[in-house]
Amino acid sequence: NAGVTQTPKFRVLKTGQSMTLLCAQDMNHEYMYWYRQDPGMGLRLIHYSVGEGTTAKGEVPDGYNVSRLKKQNFLLGLESAAPSQTSVYFCASNGGAYNEQFFGPGTRLTVL
Amino acid sequence: GEDVEQSLFLSVREGDSSVINCTYTDSSSTYLYWYKQEPGAGLQLLTYIFSNMDMKQDQRLTVLLNKKDKHLSLRIADTQTGDSAIYFCAETPAGNNRKLIWGLGTSLAVNP
Repeated sequence: NAGVTQTPKFRVLKTGQSMTLLCAQDMNHEYMYWYRQDPGMGLRLIHYSVGEGTTAKGEVPDGYNVSRLKKQNFLLGLESAAPSQTSVYFCASNGGAYNEQFFGPGTRLTVL
Repeated sequence: GEDVEQSLFLSVREGDSSVINCTYTDSSSTYLYWYKQEPGAGLQLLTYIFSNMDMKQDQRLTVLLNKKDKHLSLRIADTQTGDSAIYFCAETPAGNNRKLIWGLGTSLAVNP
C-alpha cells in the first residue's frame, strides 16, 4: 500500500494563477482532510470530506475549493493564488481503528 | 472552545530522557495522540492512548494521561539524535465527525 500520496511535491506560482493539488489514498478510507502548516501556527484544517461526493469547510477555507468525486481522491484548488497561501499543504485520511489520521508527505507551495 | 496546548521548544542532550507535555480542554476526549514530524516530511502517528488508560508504554516511549488535570505527556527514554523532530499532541473529542484538535507542536532538539 502506498498510503496517502500527494502531487506535486513542490510548486511555485505567481499571484493570480490557479492550481490543483491532488491527494490519493489506497486504504479505502471514508474521511479525508486538507491542512496547511505555517511556522508557529501548527496545522490548520482547510476543508474535509466525510465520504465520496461530500465536502465541508474547516477553519480556514477562504480562497480554496475542494472536490471528492472519487472515494480515493481529494482535490484542493486555488482559483487565484495569493502570497498568503504560501505554505506547506498536507492531505490526510482517517479510517484507522483508533480514529488516527494518516498523512501524505506534503506539498510545498510558494506564491510570488 | 476545544483547545490543545503544548510548549514550543525542548532541548535535551543525547542519552537523556525527554518529556513533552500537552494540556487539553475537552474532558470528553476519547483518544489522544502523539504524532512525529521529521524535517521535510509528513506527520506519522507515534502512539495513542485511550481515555480510560493512565499509562501506555511502547519501547522507549511512555505516555501518561492525567484526566483530572487534562494533561498528557510523552516521555522518550535514551533520546537519540534521530528523535529530533516536531511532536504534535492531538485529541479527538467524543461525538465529533473525526476531526482532530491539534496542538501547535513541540520542536525537540537533541544535542550530541
